Amino acid sequence: DTAVSQTPKYLVTQMGNDKSIKCEQNLGHDTMYWYKQDSKKFLKIMFSYNNKELIINETVPNRFSPKSPDKAHLNLHINSLELGDSAVYFCASSQGVGGTGVEKLFFGSGTQLSVL
Amino acid sequence: GENVEQHPSTLSVQEGDSAVIKCTYSDSASNYFPWYKQELGKGPQLIIDIRSNVGEKKDQRIAVTLNKTAKHFSLHITETQPEDSAVYFCAAPGTYKYIFGTGTRLKVLA
Repeated sequence: DTAVSQTPKYLVTQMGNDKSIKCEQNLGHDTMYWYKQDSKKFLKIMFSYNNKELIINETVPNRFSPKSPDKAHLNLHINSLELGDSAVYFCASSQGVGGTGVEKLFFGSGTQLSVL
Repeated sequence: GENVEQHPSTLSVQEGDSAVIKCTYSDSASNYFPWYKQELGKGPQLIIDIRSNVGEKKDQRIAVTLNKTAKHFSLHITETQPEDSAVYFCAAPGTYKYIFGTGTRLKVLA
């Protein structure tokens, strides 16, 4: 069973469109994250949710709106897509809040977003 | 501020040789340092981690060393094999998050 699963794996779309990426974890973790990985492989946190509550919003444009219907799911909706949004987006989860202790991150396999 | 520097950005070694990747962190209160391996087309996976009360930790061919005074930690891979080829990331705790290093692309040449 996949611990952290995200869909779709590939997403190709036109500028200006709105798209969503879904993420689910079956590990029973309390905290979920969205990370963005650019073409140089830099991994940068975007959002973090703990028990459905937003705890980190890393100065991401408000075109990006995460939603956590329950603690096992964290979806990412992106409005008015721009060329610069092209990247790989990773969902991750951890038992507690990352950075406050020994919390191991478990990553999904990524969604490669290409904006044309 | 919260910052993690990682070197080198690329590393090529012959199969069987050792590889060392080094990271430096800025927050002296950091207490946990994981290393992640990312294979092509996959998400990063934790391969080894170390707590600040330990200076070294080994797991078969991989080891991590920590120097709290100098605020740096290193990943050591011995007897490298082709399947070790990947991008490796160090990380350090930030405020409610982990801050990742910039990654090292390791190529093991057969």
